[in-house]
Amino acid sequence: GDSVTQMEGPVTLSEEAFLTINCTYTATGYPSLFWYVQYPGEGLQLLLKATKADDKGSNKGFEATYRKETTSFHLEKGSVQVSDSAVYFCALSDAGNNRKLIWGLGTSLAVNP
Amino acid sequence: SQTIHQWPATLVQPVGSPLSLECTVEGTSNPNLYWYRQAAGRGLQLLFYSVGIGQISSEVPQNLSASRPQDRQFILSSKKLLLSDSGFYLCAWSDRDTEAFFGQGTRLTVV
Repeated sequence: GDSVTQMEGPVTLSEEAFLTINCTYTATGYPSLFWYVQYPGEGLQLLLKATKADDKGSNKGFEATYRKETTSFHLEKGSVQVSDSAVYFCALSDAGNNRKLIWGLGTSLAVNP
Repeated sequence: SQTIHQWPATLVQPVGSPLSLECTVEGTSNPNLYWYRQAAGRGLQLLFYSVGIGQISSEVPQNLSASRPQDRQFILSSKKLLLSDSGFYLCAWSDRDTEAFFGQGTRLTVV
């Protein structure tokens, strides 16, 4: 069945460091891919998405490219801020699976000043 | 525009008491609806999802149940809470062509 694997955390970085959070997936069809962010005590918010191969999603300085050949959707940011401290979730939605969302386990990011 | 309402925001319940968490969606029709639980420091655990009225899929066996009495209403229930039911419960909806939208969550503490 469909699945999402993302790197385990926690990830701790200094402000202005480069961030990469790896995410790979398996799917029977052609899924849409998402990154969500969860700030402490809140629900999840969509950060960015990509709906087909080679699409690049971007938002708030974060980017992720839908790589079909490597089945990956790694999240990157060139210079993190303290305010980026949160838990990041990779997810997919597969039309072949009734659009049910499949989630990674989440990666906690702490950015120190 | 679409909105999702989830309540209450926090809840403290004794062991063995019943539970009812409600989630409603506005501005869309026939959405997929989801209940998730997030234990402290852990990822999202899908509890139930629904693709239509009265259609509920359970992902994990437990003492919780879900119902969808109306198209945009999703209810999470328990007849008798356990200590292990404590956690952060999230309701979400998605459309066939969109991403998921989450409620603000309910922090449940079973004492």
